[in-house]
Amino acid sequence: DAKTTQPPSMDCAEGRAANLPCNHSTISGNEYVYWYRQIHSQGPQYIIHGLKNNETNEMASLIITEDRKSSTLILPHATLRDTAVYYCIVSADSWGKFQFGAGTQVVVTP
Amino acid sequence: GAVVSQHPSRVICKSGTSVKIECRSLDFQATTMFWYRQFPKQSLMLMATSNEGSKATYEQGVEKDKFLINHASLTLSTLTVTSAHPEDSSFYICSARDAGRTLYNEQFFGPGTRLTVL
Repeated sequence: DAKTTQPPSMDCAEGRAANLPCNHSTISGNEYVYWYRQIHSQGPQYIIHGLKNNETNEMASLIITEDRKSSTLILPHATLRDTAVYYCIVSADSWGKFQFGAGTQVVVTP
Repeated sequence: GAVVSQHPSRVICKSGTSVKIECRSLDFQATTMFWYRQFPKQSLMLMATSNEGSKATYEQGVEKDKFLINHASLTLSTLTVTSAHPEDSSFYICSARDAGRTLYNEQFFGPGTRLTVL
């Protein structure tokens, strides 16, 4: 079973920031938090990952709470092309296995 | 970098036939690849972990004799759906871990293969 909980859906206005929450209250000390997104009928796309510190790259920012039990993915300026299902995954399995949850369907509207 | 391809992108076959799907890491070596299945309006379900040069590890409930996995090189893994039936119709997605990045577990996903069994 997935070790994360996300809201099923979220709407966001184009040009505004989208803040996607994820709960991972049972995360272990050696587990990373990964975010991926899947646009309809495509393979998931890597967005960002982190362990303890906040991370930022050209796509998004990842804010991890101090107790690491939750995190927020921030898309700073949402565009229509950001409409997708966003998945939050925790993993440190030696095999590197991912267990996908249901994710959050984000719809960006004009 | 970190591109994964799949072939074919879509395939239609008759019930009872076998279908092979290829997964290739194009610009990195992948000692570990994963196979997922995704039904309409559902999330990805991990089917198996494929390690180069050894037998694949299947998730509970996945029939290893029906879904044959071969990972013969550091850039290629294949999934063969044997004696396919309509209930095997699904979106099959592979992913690969970069062997040069052992600290992290991020996976790079292929574009998926749409299998339709008539």
